[in-house]
Amino acid sequence: DTEVTQTPKHLVMGMTNKKSLKCEQHMGHRAMYWYKQKAKKPPELMFVYSYEKLSINESVPSRFSPECPNSSLLNLHLHALQPEDSALYLCASSPMLGQGDEQFFGPGTRLTVL
Amino acid sequence: AQSVTQPDIHITVSEGASLELRCNYSYGATPYLFWYVQSPGQGLQLLLKYFSGDTLVQGIKGFEAEFKRSQSSFNLRKPSVHWSDAAEYFCAVGSYNFNKFYFGSGTKLNVKP
Repeated sequence: DTEVTQTPKHLVMGMTNKKSLKCEQHMGHRAMYWYKQKAKKPPELMFVYSYEKLSINESVPSRFSPECPNSSLLNLHLHALQPEDSALYLCASSPMLGQGDEQFFGPGTRLTVL
Repeated sequence: AQSVTQPDIHITVSEGASLELRCNYSYGATPYLFWYVQSPGQGLQLLLKYFSGDTLVQGIKGFEAEFKRSQSSFNLRKPSVHWSDAAEYFCAVGSYNFNKFYFGSGTKLNVKP
């Protein structure tokens, strides 16, 4: 299995809602990533996990809360988002951190905040 | 500071014509270089990568790229473009220490019939 899966594909939420994005990989990768991508822009790194521990937080607002409950699963908890947070959220994984490896990307969750 | 520049925002080529997408990078050490392709509303798919060794690398879907250290470039090429190649193409340089990718701004490829 060489893919990264993300659910849901689409999500619409109000500014007072709490929702979660889920990402899963079964390639045995120990590094996982969350990216945010606005239309016509490159992906922007949000968080990096290595061996289920948070390694990088790119100064992301606290209304985004990542969680890595095990080596295969990565969640992004959303609370009190703003309309400008509407974007495609991409998850990625790589074998390890610090090896310069390629990252494998999931198809993304299209988030709309009303 | 690390950075990646893709000078062409949009490129249109005719089906069957050759393609070259430009990528220039700025990185203090030996770079790890990647080309990804993204179809609308989709995730990113790796086309090819360069870590070391032979400066001409072959990728999937008939793509190749050439690393030129003297020009700090990693241009993507394809000898004959297919309509299904229409997509957004991102060049990226990877940081060895933290797997942090620096993406270029992307080049949108349109293919004319």
